[in-house]
Amino acid sequence: DAGVIQSPRHEVTEMGQEVTLRCKPISGHDYLFWYRQTMMRGLELLIYFNNNVPIDDSGMPEDRFSAKMPNASFSTLKIQPSEPRDSAVYFCASSLSDSYGYTFGSGTRLTVV
Amino acid sequence: DQQVKQNSPSLSVQEGRISILNCDYTNSMFDYFLWYKKYPAEGPTFLISISSIKDKNEDGRFTVFLNKSAKHLSLHIVPSQPGDSAVYFCAVAGGADGLTFGKGTHLIIQP
Repeated sequence: DAGVIQSPRHEVTEMGQEVTLRCKPISGHDYLFWYRQTMMRGLELLIYFNNNVPIDDSGMPEDRFSAKMPNASFSTLKIQPSEPRDSAVYFCASSLSDSYGYTFGSGTRLTVV
Repeated sequence: DQQVKQNSPSLSVQEGRISILNCDYTNSMFDYFLWYKKYPAEGPTFLISISSIKDKNEDGRFTVFLNKSAKHLSLHIVPSQPGDSAVYFCAVAGGADGLTFGKGTHLIIQP
């Protein structure tokens, strides 16, 4: 198993542009999580899905952020328009449970200039 | 409002000595506690966990202690090795949001 796959690994974009981050979870995992890591706030949960259905999006900072999971093998996190304060590392994780056994992807380092 | 606090952003320990990383939480409803380890440019990986029905769990050089009355857990690494240099995240489960993470502690093992 290749683990959780995220793309791209690095993204540099200009303020105002749309950014799309992608995640392929481990096959068979029912849960998918999007986290954002910053120095100030550590690892924050943005949103998570169970069986492709968004369960809790209370961590999504504002309407500029949206996430979809059209099928069990793919999820996207979109920021439109992007702002410099969105610069962070974004992690996707998948799991069989909402409490343990998380497998994280390698992350996408986003820089908005 | 931080539910999980790791008050030491960094910790430096000499190789061979014991490393002790601390974590405090606020909600007594949390019932499962985990430690994740993260190397630069990689995602966090699971290290060790403990259920609220136990107060200690040991796995090789790693031991996690849970003090429920103090809402405190700690990770002990002994002896510390250079490969242990990483960021360690404390995580808790039992709330409504899956895992909640602390901000992390950067452990540096000095030769």
